[in-house]
Amino acid sequence: QVQLQESGPGLVKPSETLSLTCTVSGGSISTYYWSWIRQPPGKGLDWIGYFYYSGSTNYNPSLKSRVTISVDTSKNQFSLRLSSVTAADTAVYYCARGQLAQGWFDPWGQGTLVTVSS
Amino acid sequence: SYELTQPPSVSVSPGQTASITCSGNKLGDKYAFWYQQKPGQSPFLVIYQNTKRPSGIPERFSGSNSGNTVTLTISGTQAMDEADYYCQAWDSSTVVFGGGTQLTVL
Repeated sequence: QVQLQESGPGLVKPSETLSLTCTVSGGSISTYYWSWIRQPPGKGLDWIGYFYYSGSTNYNPSLKSRVTISVDTSKNQFSLRLSSVTAADTAVYYCARGQLAQGWFDPWGQGTLVTVSS
Repeated sequence: SYELTQPPSVSVSPGQTASITCSGNKLGDKYAFWYQQKPGQSPFLVIYQNTKRPSGIPERFSGSNSGNTVTLTISGTQAMDEADYYCQAWDSSTVVFGGGTQLTVL
C-alpha cells in the first residue's frame, strides 16, 4: 500500500526557510492531492495546503504568503517550503495524501519535528 | 473564519458507548471526517464522508451528521480506543480541523 515519509532538517533558524520533502512509495504521485499538515507540540492539527498533480495548488490563507508546495514526479516526491519562519512555526510536520477535491487525508506520513530556534 | 468545536475531553468506561461531537455552522451540509491519534503517532482515518468506515476500522466506530453537529460514536469502547480524536471538514476550499477531543477509557 502507499506509504509516505517526511525528511528534512529538524532545526531551522528564525527568518530562514523551512524545507521538507515527502517521498511516496508503493504508488504513483500522479492524481490525488498531496498535502502538508502540521501540529504544534501539545496542540491540534493545522492544514498547510496541497498540490494537485495537474499543477494547481491550494494553501491555508493564514500561511499563503509564505508557503510553496511542489511535486517532483520523477522522484515520486513532493516538497514544502515555508519562508520567514518564527518560533510559532515549530511543529510536527506531516505529509498526507488527500482524497478528492474536498475529501479526507489517508494515509499520513509518520511526521517530522521541526524546531525554529537560533 | 470557519470553526469546528469539539469537547476537550470525554471519559468512558470499558464496554460502554463513547460519543464525541463536532459542531460548526451548517456542518450538516458538508462532509465530515474523523481521525484517531495515539501518543507519538500520526493521525489515522476512522470515518469519512460522515458515516463511512475505511477498510480495517472496527464496526464499533460509527459516524452521524445532523444539523450543525457530527458525532463519532464508539460502541463497546476498548482500552485501545484511548486516543485524541479530530474532526475535519472543508469550508470554501479550506481545510478545517476541530480542536481535538481526548478520549479516556477508565
